[in-house]
Amino acid sequence: NAGVTQTPKFRVLKTGQSMTLLCAQDMNHEYMYWYRQDPGMGLRLIHYSVGEGTTAKGEVPDGYNVSRLKKQNFLLGLESAAPSQTSVYFCASSYQRGYNEQFFGPGTRLTVL
Amino acid sequence: DQQVKQNSPSLSVQEGRISILNCDYTNSMFDYFLWYKKYPAEGPTFLISISSIKDKNEDGRFTVFLNKSAKHLSLHIVPSQPGDSAVYFCAASGNYKLSFGAGTTVTVRA
Repeated sequence: NAGVTQTPKFRVLKTGQSMTLLCAQDMNHEYMYWYRQDPGMGLRLIHYSVGEGTTAKGEVPDGYNVSRLKKQNFLLGLESAAPSQTSVYFCASSYQRGYNEQFFGPGTRLTVL
Repeated sequence: DQQVKQNSPSLSVQEGRISILNCDYTNSMFDYFLWYKKYPAEGPTFLISISSIKDKNEDGRFTVFLNKSAKHLSLHIVPSQPGDSAVYFCAASGNYKLSFGAGTTVTVRA
């Protein structure tokens, strides 16, 4: 099992460009999450999904959109990238409600110039 | 408004000695607490957890203590080993979402 995978690993964007980060999990998990990690801030929740076809806002959702068309995939989109979105992005998944442990992907390092 | 705080950004400890990492939280609705370990260029990995109905949980060299009245938890690593050098995140669970602290970077000296 690959666990949680993220594509791409690195990306450099110019301000105003758009992109999509892909997260895939092969553990049949119901719940999926997108976080960003910034120095001194820990991990902050951007959006999450409690099942296929559902999404919800987290702590810092502005400037991002998500979609969960298939249970195993969770996409994070930036429509118009800004330098403030320079960060490391982590995707995570968990089995279902009541299971607190989340499994994380390796991360995507995004730089917006 | 950070609900989970790790006030020590870094900790240096000699190999073989005890590492103690601290974490404080403000939300009394949190009912489950976790510690994650993160190496550079990798995602966080689960280390150990504790339910709010317990005050201690042990797994090998790792022990987590929970003091609910003080809203405080700690992670003890005994003995510390070079491979323990990493960033450790404290996390608290409420309603299937995790709130993370800022992390503590542990360096184990030979």
